[in-house]
Amino acid sequence: DQQVKQNSPSLSVQEGRISILNCDYTNSMFDYFLWYKKYPAEGPTFLISISSIKDKNEDGRFTVFLNKSAKHLSLHIVPSQPGDSAVYFCAAKEGGSQGNLIFGKGTKLSVKP
Amino acid sequence: EAGVAQSPRYKIIEKRQSVAFWCNPISGHATLYWYQQILGQGPKLLIQFQNNGVVDDSQLPKDRFSAERLKGVDSTLKIQPAKLEDSAVYLCASSLGFIGREAFFGQGTRLTVV
Repeated sequence: DQQVKQNSPSLSVQEGRISILNCDYTNSMFDYFLWYKKYPAEGPTFLISISSIKDKNEDGRFTVFLNKSAKHLSLHIVPSQPGDSAVYFCAAKEGGSQGNLIFGKGTKLSVKP
Repeated sequence: EAGVAQSPRYKIIEKRQSVAFWCNPISGHATLYWYQQILGQGPKLLIQFQNNGVVDDSQLPKDRFSAERLKGVDSTLKIQPAKLEDSAVYLCASSLGFIGREAFFGQGTRLTVV
């Protein structure tokens, strides 16, 4: 059973518009959430994170929203750029754990010029 | 700052052969992780080290996989004997401190077992 779910395998967005990537989780013990971006033939790179005590975290064009009651988080990219085209992974860490990150399957974002 | 280094980048072996991967984490990072990423899936933790001690190896198939972290720095992951289902990208990551948050990943080793 998947504890972190990214139900959209792919997303296509026009350059300049907003990209919204969604992630759902089932484990109520998760206390920290991260988004990673991955280009082909490279390892994932950290993008943005949010603690469970917050509901929003913003970094430039990237904003992550957390809805704990719905066990749902989303990543907003505004405005989207062609260089944002990559696979985005949602990951979560259980409170009190030793740091193991549980990853979703990823969403492939394509930003068209 | 140098990133996480992994080698080799690619490896093709026949089933039942053995293979080893090497990882050099970011200097000063106490925590080191090995992840397995099968095509179409997210990375799955195989083993986590804190310095040279194992913190979590609950998902490591210990009958065929082994890992060590010598002197709390470099690490090797070995598979012996390999199976077809071991075909995947093996990612090494490191992070500061015991409770790793933003882990930094290497480029990975793509293993194909034929």
